[in-house]
Amino acid sequence: DTAVSQTPKYLVTQMGNDKSIKCEQNLGHDTMYWYKQDSKKFLKIMFSYNNKELIINETVPNRFSPKSPDKAHLNLHINSLELGDSAVYFCASSIQGWVETQYFGPGTRLLVL
Amino acid sequence: RKEVEQDPGPFNVPEGATVAFNCTYSNSASQSFFWYRQDCRKEPKLLMSVYSSGNEDGRFTAQLNRASQYISLLIRDSKLSDSATYLCVVNPNTGNQFYFGTGTSLTVIP
Repeated sequence: DTAVSQTPKYLVTQMGNDKSIKCEQNLGHDTMYWYKQDSKKFLKIMFSYNNKELIINETVPNRFSPKSPDKAHLNLHINSLELGDSAVYFCASSIQGWVETQYFGPGTRLLVL
Repeated sequence: RKEVEQDPGPFNVPEGATVAFNCTYSNSASQSFFWYRQDCRKEPKLLMSVYSSGNEDGRFTAQLNRASQYISLLIRDSKLSDSATYLCVVNPNTGNQFYFGTGTSLTVIP
């Protein structure tokens, strides 16, 4: 009965590798998000999808590519990982858009060595 | 200027104390305001939305001051379990966008 789930929970990898993080929500929400929380705990939005369509694409390197196969899933693929990519990545969802409460996944702790 | 600014703290208060946090926002057209709570190594969770008229949920009271562009959170009778980071969240009314503050750290001491 997990509302928003992410896999993996922890990811340790070498610089230059390509990795993916998966997110699924079973709340029937239309909008999903990816956030990055850095070591200073600052939470910054990266992408937002509404019904499988990209609606926010903040200034992130194009090594990051989101993919939404359906409105319940939003995956994040990262190419050529760099040390600075080390952070906690949170997926979130909301019923529809910005006026609604967001529900967050447990986070994926990425460490790039 | 950052979209949302919070005093990072830390606030260390004894059990039973009343503590208040403020958060300022830069976009006067912002329409939606929230307080989220984040425990150590956990995801943020909604604590309460902030309504124009102010709202209360048990020991927690949220206020919005549009003229001065800030929101506040008041916690009365602090419990040990209130120890967490409190995140102020603002939607600037420019599409599906949320801006999070950097969070205010609260530790309630026995």
